[in-house]
Parts: sequence; structure tokens; C-alpha cells
Amino acid sequence: RKEVEQDPGPFNVPEGATVAFNCTYSNSASQSFFWYRQDCRKEPKLLMSVYSSGNEDGRFTAQLNRASQYISLLIRDSKLSDSATYLCVVGESTGGFKTIFGAGTRLFVKA
Amino acid sequence: DADVTQTPRNRITKTGKRIMLECSQTKGHDRMYWYRQDPGLGLRLIYYSFDVKDINKGEISDGYSVSRQAQAKFSLSLESAIPNQTALYFCATSDSQGMYQPQHFGDGTRLSIL
Repeated sequence: RKEVEQDPGPFNVPEGATVAFNCTYSNSASQSFFWYRQDCRKEPKLLMSVYSSGNEDGRFTAQLNRASQYISLLIRDSKLSDSATYLCVVGESTGGFKTIFGAGTRLFVKA
Repeated sequence: DADVTQTPRNRITKTGKRIMLECSQTKGHDRMYWYRQDPGLGLRLIYYSFDVKDINKGEISDGYSVSRQAQAKFSLSLESAIPNQTALYFCATSDSQGMYQPQHFGDGTRLSIL
């Protein structure tokens, strides 16, 4: 089992739709969680950190479920500019510093 | 100007050559990282450095070495390049407050080993 798993997609949605991605992680001792966005052939950019109580930033909502070991990202009112790959990132506390990137979920928003 | 600058942006070279990828940053961060990204895989950590005198191996350090010449500079070397080191390489930085802070990435270096 991969340490961090994401559905690769692609998710094809129309503008204005709501779309949700999940990411599962294998190490219950993981302590930090992030969502990054990566445009084609570009560098990853931080979208948002994920806090235990869940958090929202405009149209984006992130949630953490420690019991089931997954994090989620919800995008409301999708825009064409949301088309990208979304990377789940987990920071572990065992064995020193370890940051694990998921392979990403591709999203295409269509007009 | 970019906060994290990688050079070169693209490089094509032959098997057995020595290659150096350079990274410099103006963010004033203590921590710097080198990753590689392959299609269908997540970014994988090669080496990281939490300050100028600190160098640590990541998940896939074999075949690579690094040098932290100053707080702002972190270079990655491939001593004898091989084709399976063809990948997109990213340098990143982060703040040192807390164990895990969001990372800021350079534009990447696309490396092809023939």
C-alpha cells in the first residue's frame, strides 16, 4: 500500500460544479497535512494547510479525518482556472523528517 | 524576480557525465530541499538541509550528492548520470518554525540523460 494515495482522475466537471477529492495516508502518526496545486509542467504551489477542525479558504474547504486516515478537498463553484493537478502532502513524525507527496488528482473544468 | 531560482531550466546530457543543478533563494528560509518528479509518481525527496551545516538524505539519495554553500544556496550533483535519473527536479525552501511548514518551490529543472 502506498503511503499517500490519491485517485489520479481525471475529474471532468463543468464550470460551477462542486467537486471533491480524497487522499488516504497509511501512517497514523502523521501530523501535518497540505493540499498543493500543480499546473502542467509547473512547480507545485501551496493551496492550503489542513487543520484538525477543518478549514475553508474561499471556495475551497479542507477536512481531516484521523480515524479513517484521510484528508479531503472540496471545491465549490468550479472555475476554468481551477483546472490543475491537486497534490496531497503528508508530514510524518516517525524516523525524523519525512514529507510524502501523493501522485496527484487531475481536474479539468470545462466551459 | 522569483523567490526560488533554479538553474538550468532544461538540460540534456549523456550517460556518465557529471551534472550540477543549482538553487538559490531570496526568502531567507533556513530549510532547503531537492525533489524529483516522475510521471505518475509523487515528488520524492532526494536530500534536505535544515541549515548551512546540516545535510540529510531523503528517500532516494543514491547517485546524488548536495552542497549547501550558504543559507541561500543549495546545489544538487549527479556524479555520473544515468538514464533513469531523467526527471523533473525541484528545489524548495521552507521556514524553520515547527517541523512541517509549507514549502516554496522553484520553477524546476527538466533533465534528460541520453
